[in-house]
Amino acid sequence: DAKTTQPPSMDCAEGRAANLPCNHSTISGNEYVYWYRQIHSQGPQYIIHGLKNNETNEMASLIITEDRKSSTLILPHATLRDTAVYYCIVRVPTTSGTYKYIFGTGTRLKVLA
Amino acid sequence: DAGVTQSPTHLIKTRGQQVTLRCSPKSGHDTVSWYQQALGQGPQFIFQYYEEEERQRGNFPDRFSGHQFPNYSSELNVNALLLGDSALYLCASSYGQGYNSPLHFGNGTRLTVT
Repeated sequence: DAKTTQPPSMDCAEGRAANLPCNHSTISGNEYVYWYRQIHSQGPQYIIHGLKNNETNEMASLIITEDRKSSTLILPHATLRDTAVYYCIVRVPTTSGTYKYIFGTGTRLKVLA
Repeated sequence: DAGVTQSPTHLIKTRGQQVTLRCSPKSGHDTVSWYQQALGQGPQFIFQYYEEEERQRGNFPDRFSGHQFPNYSSELNVNALLLGDSALYLCASSYGQGYNSPLHFGNGTRLTVT
C-alpha cells in the first residue's frame, strides 16, 4: 500500500546537486512527507520532512509542489558518501491515533567521482 | 546519547523454530515500531508499541508478536519460522503519538532461516 512512486535509480556527478523526485498524488491534507536514506547494511537515516512548505536543513532541501502531489529532495553538493537508497515516505495517521510510515521501494542514488 | 540499539546483529535459525529480537529506543523516546526489510525491498511496517500496548499493526500474521517494557524497550517474537521470514528486522523509535517526531532507526538484526 505504498503511497509514493520514485525512480528506481539515478546517477549524479560528485559536487553537483542531486535532485531526487517523488510522486505522492494520493496524499491527504494532514499527511507529512518524510525522506530517509539507507546506506548498505545500516538502518535508514532521517534526512528531512515537510507538510506543504519548502524545508531546508544542514543535509538537504525539500521542495513540495503547491498541490502537494509531488516533491523533490535536493542534495546541494553530492559527495561519494551520499551514495545510498533514498526513500520518500508518507506518514499516515491511523484510527488508533498513531502514525504509520509507509515506505516505497526507493531510489538508488549513485554519486560518481 | 545512545541511539536505537538492536540485538543480536545476526541470527541463523531453522524452519519451525522461534526467535526473539530486542530493541532499546533512543533516549527520551517512548514509541517503538518494527519493520521487516527483505533483500532489495523497502521496509514493511510490522507493528508499533506505545505505553506497552500494540497500537497499530501491518499486514503480518499472528506468528509475529511483540512486547514493550516499562523502560520502553521492546521485543519482536516470531514463531514457526518460515524461509520467507529471512530478512533484516529494523526497530525504530520516536517520541509521542501526536508529535511531529521523526523515526530513528537501529541498524537491524539480520535473520536467516534455513
